[in-house]
Amino acid sequence: EDQVTQSPEALRLQEGESSSLNCSYTVSGLRGLFWYRQDPGKGPEFLFTLYSAGEEKEKERLKATLTKKESFLHITAPKPEDSATYLCAVQADGANSKLTFGKGITLSVRP
Amino acid sequence: NAGVMQNPRHLVRRRGQEARLRCSPMKGHSHVYWYRQLPEEGLKFMVYLQKENIIDESGMPKERFSAEFPKEGPSILRIQQVVRGDSAAYFCASSPLDGGTEAFFGQGTRLTVV
Repeated sequence: EDQVTQSPEALRLQEGESSSLNCSYTVSGLRGLFWYRQDPGKGPEFLFTLYSAGEEKEKERLKATLTKKESFLHITAPKPEDSATYLCAVQADGANSKLTFGKGITLSVRP
Repeated sequence: NAGVMQNPRHLVRRRGQEARLRCSPMKGHSHVYWYRQLPEEGLKFMVYLQKENIIDESGMPKERFSAEFPKEGPSILRIQQVVRGDSAAYFCASSPLDGGTEAFFGQGTRLTVV
């Protein structure tokens, strides 16, 4: 069974204090690993898709990386508006496109 | 994700009533997925549909839950005889292709069973 574990559960940062969010996964064959951002009361907002180990993608203050067992979401010099829950999900080969999600990491950035 | 439309945004039902949740995918998307999010839990896959076909319903409870995506109109998630444990946020997502592409989510329907 595909599994996704995210850590830590919650993270509090000072504005400008860089950090990383971890996503560990086990999957029979990885088709893609996805990062989403979710604000309270809203639906998940797509951030990145990574397909193979060694791949990296960047968007503003966020950079996602992928190895064969885990993915990191690096946040550089965060701002209060980066406060949200960050979700990691995997899609397995032959899985008919369904995503298996972790429980998410709640990030709070203090001004 | 504003392109995926879900309604209603909030739904209150008494135990034993039926709940109908609607989802209109983004324009040009023919693949629809339903997920459920319980408090303190991650998003859980329920069902994957294409027009007039259920492709994967492995995450759907065996009883009381059904889904459809007709040729015309939105996808519907139907919950019969709701119980308190059905209270959750239900999210719909759509994608243009099968596999390896990002799915765009709607804002969800928050179902409360009283």
